[in-house]
Order: sequence, then C-alpha cells, then structure tokens
Amino acid sequence: DVKVTQSSRYLVKRTGEKVFLECVQDMDHENMFWYRQDPGLGLRLIYFSYDVKMKEKGDIPEGYSVSREKKERFSLILESASTNQTSMYLCASSGVGYGYTFGSGTRLTVV
Amino acid sequence: EDQVTQSPEALRLQEGESSSLNCSYTVSGLRGLFWYRQDPGKGPEFLFTLYSAGEEKEKERLKATLTKKESFLHITAPKPEDSATYLCAVQAASGGSYIPTFGRGTSLIVHP
Repeated sequence: DVKVTQSSRYLVKRTGEKVFLECVQDMDHENMFWYRQDPGLGLRLIYFSYDVKMKEKGDIPEGYSVSREKKERFSLILESASTNQTSMYLCASSGVGYGYTFGSGTRLTVV
Repeated sequence: EDQVTQSPEALRLQEGESSSLNCSYTVSGLRGLFWYRQDPGKGPEFLFTLYSAGEEKEKERLKATLTKKESFLHITAPKPEDSATYLCAVQAASGGSYIPTFGRGTSLIVHP
C-alpha cells in the first residue's frame, strides 16, 4: 500500500514563527499536494507539485511556500505563522490519473 | 467549473438502519469519481473509484454507484464504527488537470 507520512500529528507554534510541515511518500508518485481543512470550508488546495523542483499555486497560497527537492518529499512552509493559519493540514500524493492517498494530517495551532 | 455537492450535510442513523449518501456533480467529462472516509482528526482514507455510469463497487456494508450526474454511497445495516465523514471527489477528463474537486462531505453518526 502507498504510504504518505506527515512528520507531526500535532504542532503548537507561536505567531511569527517559521513553520515547516514535512510529507514523505513511498510509492514514487509524481504528484504531491498540500491542503488545509477547516470546519464548514472543506478541503482547500494550498500548493501542489507534479515533479521535483516544480510547484504550482492552489486556491489559497498566500502566506505559504513549498519545497520539493526530492521526488518523495514535499514540504510546506509557513513563512510567518499567524493565528488564522491554525488548521488541519493534509498532504496527499497520486500517480497520474489516479485518486489521492492522504497522510494522517497535522493539526497546527498558532498561538 | 467543476462542482460537487454532497447531501445531506449530516445524517444520524440507528444501528441497522440502512440509508444512502448523495454526491451530485457537474464536470466536463468524468475521468473518475472517488469516495473517501475520514475519521475525526485523521486524513481521508480511500474507499472507491468509479469511472463510468452504471458502475458499482462494494466493500463490506458500503456500496457505491454512479450515474451521469450523481453517485450514491449506500450503507446497509450500519454499525457505530461506520460513523465518519464521507467525502466525494471528481476528476475531470479534459483540460489535462488531475486536481480533483472535493465536496464538503457528509457527516454520518450511527447510534447503537
């Protein structure tokens, strides 16, 4: 089975901190994605990547950046964390034309 | 623009009370429709992929069906452990995009 591993299940960070969320997949998938999920808003796409060193903005990229230096790893960076970035962050990967496999999520709280 | 609407938003059932969840979609050519289950505080877990109208998939008490406009997730004789949020997503065949459009989900609670 494909596995997508997110480095932390829970994180608490202070306003203004730089935050790194790490995601690793083990099935050689080309595509990787970062979503945030909030009650009543559903899944919102932040960034995605279809190849190493490639990245594309999703629907809500403001305040975030990403890095994909290796095919299996896709990092989400909060440049200066703010309280409105408190959320559940989900990483996913997929092969071309297939559905997603999600990680278990990171619950980030910014205080 | 691709759209996915799930109904109802929330559903409460008694154990053993069968029901269906609906996913209505508009998409310019369907590549695939996906169902996921999400438990609180966890990432969505893949359940089914449906590709064409008339197709059906089953897993334990769950059965997913697909028409040209909607998909149903039928839950037969549910148990409390079936309580979760069920997400539907569609992937368009045209435009080269592989980004699925997600619905907002149906929150299912099954009471013992």
